[in-house]
Amino acid sequence: QVQLVESGGGVVQPGRSLRLSCAASGFAFKTHAMHWVRQAPGKGLEWVAFIWSDGLNTFYADSVWGRFTISRDNSKNTLFLQMNNLRADDTAIYYCANDPPYSGWSFASWGQGTLVTVSS
Amino acid sequence: QSVLTQPPSASGAPGQRVTISCSGSDSNIGSHPVNWYQQLPRTAPQLLISNDNHRPSGVSDRFSGSKSGTSASLAISGLRSEDEAVYYCAAWDGNLSAVMFGGGTRLTVL
Repeated sequence: QVQLVESGGGVVQPGRSLRLSCAASGFAFKTHAMHWVRQAPGKGLEWVAFIWSDGLNTFYADSVWGRFTISRDNSKNTLFLQMNNLRADDTAIYYCANDPPYSGWSFASWGQGTLVTVSS
Repeated sequence: QSVLTQPPSASGAPGQRVTISCSGSDSNIGSHPVNWYQQLPRTAPQLLISNDNHRPSGVSDRFSGSKSGTSASLAISGLRSEDEAVYYCAAWDGNLSAVMFGGGTRLTVL
């Protein structure tokens, strides 16, 4: 079955960087677009970034544009999120999710999430 | 303030039918499919309805989605205690080139 496992979260000081990974299995990773979605403590869901199946196009939320970079390695079925210049309001659980072809930007499966805490 | 507007809360007695609304605009709901997610306490969200009204495999037929113009709705029939969760709508926004979520609706089963 589909499995998405995020890793790389932790506690980091403001202004520093962190790289999240999402290991995918159980589906044809190279044919699915992929997304990162986050949820601040006690808050709702916020979409963060999206990458096409071939990695040639990426989209970002305004709140992270210019600081975060989404990428993927289709040979290793892995999705990444490079987060630079982190701020306190980036503190959240970060989920990766897959977006099957012709699914209307739906997030078919989600990982368990990885917690990022930005604090001095 | 979210681009997609949902009521913050909804409630119903066991066995009843409840609906949750999601209001948007021409650039999102009016032009692109709406998806609904259920987030049970202390768990990751899961897809409930895709492409306005499609139920993924394994989702109960008590859940249904509909859309008209720039608004969408999620209906839950035969309410059960295990339906207590937060429900989110989401859609691509062509003007913003971004996926937008509603603020979420917390459902309480009385």
